[in-house]
Order: sequence, then structure tokens, then C-alpha cells
Amino acid sequence: QKEVEQNSGPLSVPEGAIASLNCTYSDRGSQSFFWYRQYSGKSPELIMFIYSNGDKEDGRFTAQLNKASQYVSLLIRDSQPSDSATYLCAVKGRTGRRALTFGSGTRLQVQP
Amino acid sequence: KAGVTQTPRYLIKTRGQQVTLSCSPISGHRSVSWYQQTPGQGLQFLFEYFSETQRNKGNFPGRFSGRQFSNSRSEMNVSTLELGDSALYLCASSFAGGSSYNEQFFGPGTRLTVL
Repeated sequence: QKEVEQNSGPLSVPEGAIASLNCTYSDRGSQSFFWYRQYSGKSPELIMFIYSNGDKEDGRFTAQLNKASQYVSLLIRDSQPSDSATYLCAVKGRTGRRALTFGSGTRLQVQP
Repeated sequence: KAGVTQTPRYLIKTRGQQVTLSCSPISGHRSVSWYQQTPGQGLQFLFEYFSETQRNKGNFPGRFSGRQFSNSRSEMNVSTLELGDSALYLCASSFAGGSSYNEQFFGPGTRLTVL
């Protein structure tokens, strides 16, 4: 079992729709969770991070965390073609394991 | 604030050579992490440096090494290059102080091609 799992996609949504990206993790002691966006040929860009159970909103983005289910998601409202990219979920483990463990990413395509 | 800078941006080497990559973190950030990204393996952690000390290490052979200087700049070195070392090498900077939850910000990367 991979430590951080994501559906590779592609996830295709029409412009203006809500895109829902999901991630599960295996280390129950994981403390913090990050979403990065990576355009083709570019480096990952931090979009959001979440530490506590529940929802965290930032503009069109909402991160959701459920530690009991070991599940984190990213919702993108009013999706735009410019949101087309690979979205990487990253998890920081318990104290002493400061490195981020990344999922393989979900490719999102927003159709105009 | 200036972002993370990495040099060089592109490198072409041949098998058996060695290479040194450089990373300058965001001003005030004391932690530098290095990652390797390949299409097959995704983003994999190499090592993390904080205050000139290696604090964490991934599962890579000893050919991969690094160091951090007193100004927080970091270098990573790969000796005896193999074809499989061709990858995008990413440096990530974080504050990593006290209660920081370690938000990491990536540099543009160095694209290494081994022929």
C-alpha cells in the first residue's frame, strides 16, 4: 500500500463546474496535509494546507480533512481552463518525520 | 520576498560524471529539502538540511549527498552518474522553526539529463 494515494486521472470537468480531488494516506499519525499544483514542465506550487479536521476555504479552493477516515480532498469551485494541471497531495508525518510524502498526483483537465 | 532559486536550470552530463546543484532558500528560511521527480517514481524525498545539519534522509544511495552552508544555501552532489539519475531535482525551502508545520515552497528545479 502506498503511503499517499491519489487517482491519477485525468479528471475532466467542464468550465464553471466543481472539481473534486481526493487523497488517502496510510500513516494515522500524520499531522499536516498539503495540496500543490504543478503545471507541465514547472515546479509544484503550494495551494493550500490543512491541519485540523473539517474544511478550510481559500478563494475558490476548499481543503477537507477527515483524520478518522485518513482522507483529504481539494474542491475547486468555478473551475477554469487555467486550473488544468496536476494536483499533488503531500502529507507530513508525525514528529521526527519532517519530510513530505507525495502522492503521484491527479491530472485535472478543465474543458472550455 | 524573492523565491527559492536553483542553479543551474538545465544540465547535461554523461554516465560516470558527477554533478553539483545549488539552491538558495527564501530569505529567513532555515530548512532546505531536496526531492527528485521522475515520471515513473513521482516526487521522492532525498534529504533535508537545517542549520547546516542533515536532519532527515530518504532512501537513496550514498552517491547522493548534500550540504548546507551558514547562510542556509544548500548544494546537492551526485557522483558516478547513472542513466536513471535523469530527473527534475527540486529544492524546497521552509521556515522550520518552533511550531512551524513545515509549509515548503519549491524552487524552479534543475533538469538533469544523463547520457
